[in-house]
Amino acid sequence: KQEVTQIPAALSVPEGENLVLNCSFTDSAIYNLQWFRQDPGKGLTSLLLIQSSQREQTSGRLNASLDKSSGRSTLYIAASQPGDSATYLCAADSNSGYALNFGKGTSLLVTP
Amino acid sequence: DAGVIQSPRHEVTEMGQEVTLRCKPISGHDYLFWYRQTMMRGLELLIYFNNNVPIDDSGMPEDRFSAKMPNASFSTLKIQPSEPRDSAVYFCASRSRRLNTEAFFGQGTRLTVV
Repeated sequence: KQEVTQIPAALSVPEGENLVLNCSFTDSAIYNLQWFRQDPGKGLTSLLLIQSSQREQTSGRLNASLDKSSGRSTLYIAASQPGDSATYLCAADSNSGYALNFGKGTSLLVTP
Repeated sequence: DAGVIQSPRHEVTEMGQEVTLRCKPISGHDYLFWYRQTMMRGLELLIYFNNNVPIDDSGMPEDRFSAKMPNASFSTLKIQPSEPRDSAVYFCASRSRRLNTEAFFGQGTRLTVV
């Protein structure tokens, strides 16, 4: 089974900083890695999907990278804003199953 | 498409009662997933279906939990009898393997068993 770990568990930064969230996974034979955002009491919003053949994906101020050989992905957030405060979840599937397995998330607080 | 639709959004029930959660996936998606989220354990995969067939139910915690997908547009997760430790948010998600799409999640059902 794919095991996903996210570091750090929580992060607090002042507005305007660039930041990196880390995700590691145990099975490098993945189809996809997906990053989500979850606001308190809400559902999951997909941010970026990286397919196994890709190295990175970008959307606005977000950039996600994938290194299958090392079992790592990073989510880079540029010029952070208070509205970015949320929990960020990383999830990966594997060749042994198409279901996404989730990390515990990184709780991000961006202070004005 | 309206996205993945779950009902009810909130459910409060007494211990011992039967609870049924419902999900309508995105049209054309061939995979459907049920997850449970708690503070302690995070998001756990309970079961998933491919073309309406259960593929992996190893995450279903006990025999009290059952899931069905009678057709491509509807799935249910049933808990009978319910217990207070079943209190959690239950999410349904769907995706298309043929198109290798993102997984899309419903808004979840917040279940409280008292």
